[in-house]
Amino acid sequence: NFMLTQPHSVSESPGKTVTISCTRSSGSIASNYVQWYQQRPGSAPTIVIYEDNERPSGVPDRFSGSIDSSSNSASLTISGLKTEDEADYYCQSYDSSNQVFGGGTKLTVL
Amino acid sequence: VQLVESGGGLVQPGRSLRLSCAASGFTSDDYAMHWVRQAPGKGLEWVSGISWNSGTIGYADSVKGRFTISRDNAKNSLYLQMTSLRAEDTALYYCAKDISYHTPHYYYMDVWGKGTTVTVSS
Repeated sequence: NFMLTQPHSVSESPGKTVTISCTRSSGSIASNYVQWYQQRPGSAPTIVIYEDNERPSGVPDRFSGSIDSSSNSASLTISGLKTEDEADYYCQSYDSSNQVFGGGTKLTVL
Repeated sequence: VQLVESGGGLVQPGRSLRLSCAASGFTSDDYAMHWVRQAPGKGLEWVSGISWNSGTIGYADSVKGRFTISRDNAKNSLYLQMTSLRAEDTALYYCAKDISYHTPHYYYMDVWGKGTTVTVSS
């Protein structure tokens, strides 16, 4: 099994852009899709990026995803930060019959 | 599309508990399903997954041999039988729908319930 490693926390000011990384420990980041979930306090997770870089309907285009094979990592970028973006963000991927979540990144918008 | 978990509660270490998840707004028997948990103040941990026809079932190492996932497609329901419960099983347990439709695999969750809380303590 592989692991996904995220920074514990990031912070940025409203209107700015922030990028959250997610590094896969073994196996290629490109071998299975990466998803990103947003979890606001007291709420269930919701998906904001699926299949590396696709946005579900209803998710603002300020949210974007990418993968980088050279660093074996995925990234979630949020531009034009709003206070409502303050939340925990989790990356997720899978292999054969397992699901793996990153440890989560707390985004503070201040 | 809605998922509603039930069955959580306070249970002593070593005892058992059965969680249920009722699906509505879609035909859950067409999709793979998962249980994901979140310990207080911690991150998300995948617990178990099951394909649409129960042909593929997987468990996290932390629960293998103690938890059993099952589904009753006639009732549009998902279950998690938890035995030999430990303090470290204390968490909010989410039921989640996978995007996988009529395949032997599961991929990722696109719909989540609000969760049911399990507390293991004497």
